[in-house]
Amino acid sequence: EAGVAQSPRYKIIEKRQSVAFWCNPISGHATLYWYQQILGQGPKLLIQFQNNGVVDDSQLPKDRFSAERLKGVDSTLKIQPAKLEDSAVYLCASSLGLTGIGQETQYFGPGTRLLVL
Amino acid sequence: AQSVTQPDIHITVSEGASLELRCNYSYGATPYLFWYVQSPGQGLQLLLKYFSGDTLVQGIKGFEAEFKRSQSSFNLRKPSVHWSDAAEYFCAVGAMEYGNKLVFGAGTILRVKS
Repeated sequence: EAGVAQSPRYKIIEKRQSVAFWCNPISGHATLYWYQQILGQGPKLLIQFQNNGVVDDSQLPKDRFSAERLKGVDSTLKIQPAKLEDSAVYLCASSLGLTGIGQETQYFGPGTRLLVL
Repeated sequence: AQSVTQPDIHITVSEGASLELRCNYSYGATPYLFWYVQSPGQGLQLLLKYFSGDTLVQGIKGFEAEFKRSQSSFNLRKPSVHWSDAAEYFCAVGAMEYGNKLVFGAGTILRVKS
């Protein structure tokens, strides 16, 4: 079974530029998550989708970050304009999304390492 | 507010020695608990999880963890560490009441000396 795919693996941009990351979850997984992992910290949830609807985006900096999952499968996360403090690893994860059971394992992709200069 | 504390930023153990990584949580709900491992440049790999039932859970690579509700802890253990276990370990907590959202600790970096 293929895992969570992410691209690109690495990206270097200058501040105020824009950048986009792509994620393809495990086939059949309805829930998709984007996390930000700053060096020396644990991952922090940015946004959670259930199919193509947003479940939680309370920690997404909406003035510069946006995410979409138009057909309920792939997702893109965009930053525009980027700031120095956005340098981090962006992790995508997915889970089955069986609502109501509350016991879901999240499977993570390899991440995209972003450096903002 | 939900929080997870991993008190040890770095731990160094000798190969073959036993290991215990600490995790404490503060959660206003019935938690389910995870340990993930992250090797340099890699994503997070699930080691083990606790949802309910037996409080001692077995995971991959010879790891185990024990849920102690009275201490709000979920410590990870391994009886004999191998050099390949060197990595960063993250404890995470979630709950159905919070929509399956995971809160992660800051991680513990494990170094193994030969």
